[in-house]
Amino acid sequence: QSVLTQPPSASGTPGQRVTISCSGSSSNIGSNYVYWYQQLPGTAPKLLIYRNNQRPSGVPDRFSGSKSGTSASLAISGLRSEDEADYYCAAWDDRLSGLFGGGTKLTVL
Amino acid sequence: EVQLEESGGGLVQPGGSLRLSCAASGFTFSSYAMSWVRQAPGKGLEWVSAMSASGDNTYHADSVKGRFTISRDNSKNTLYLQMNRLRAEDTAVYYCAKTISPAAKLPFDYWGQGTLVTVSS
Repeated sequence: QSVLTQPPSASGTPGQRVTISCSGSSSNIGSNYVYWYQQLPGTAPKLLIYRNNQRPSGVPDRFSGSKSGTSASLAISGLRSEDEADYYCAAWDDRLSGLFGGGTKLTVL
Repeated sequence: EVQLEESGGGLVQPGGSLRLSCAASGFTFSSYAMSWVRQAPGKGLEWVSAMSASGDNTYHADSVKGRFTISRDNSKNTLYLQMNRLRAEDTAVYYCAKTISPAAKLPFDYWGQGTLVTVSS
């Protein structure tokens, strides 16, 4: 069981907006940045969001991140079929370890 | 172009050892912290170990502490993971990942394609 808690699944229809939550504690999300990764089937993860809400170059602005207290969220607007993937939140923990959420499988209906 | 190429994976018996390597190119390897992340078959990502650019600071997950050792050779642009006393639950694809600064433990902006480690008798 992961220290960062994500829903195992999420879904939406094309064009919809979906959000994926990530819950942690004061020693990780509460005091450090949150990052989000997208993993397409059979490929290595890709950085989507860094420092809570920043997008790397090349990531569409349909993807956005937010953080409040010990929780964070990833929002995907204008959902597209190619967004179907696994999504992971990540944060450093003050107890000197990296953490990933358990992952959320996004299905585009 | 940044490239990370892992090698050294394979089948090993419980209690055995393996050393993974990650050959880096396309960036100044000695300027960036590096990490290992693993993913068991059909499971999520698990952070394993991190090392600062200079090699002065290392971090390991509790699940591997005392068994795995991360190291690097900046003259060879190579990251290593020495894995001892392997257990069945260490079976996973092991990814090498580059961070965005010399000291950062997160995030990872580039990943290798991974090498599979299978621990089984």
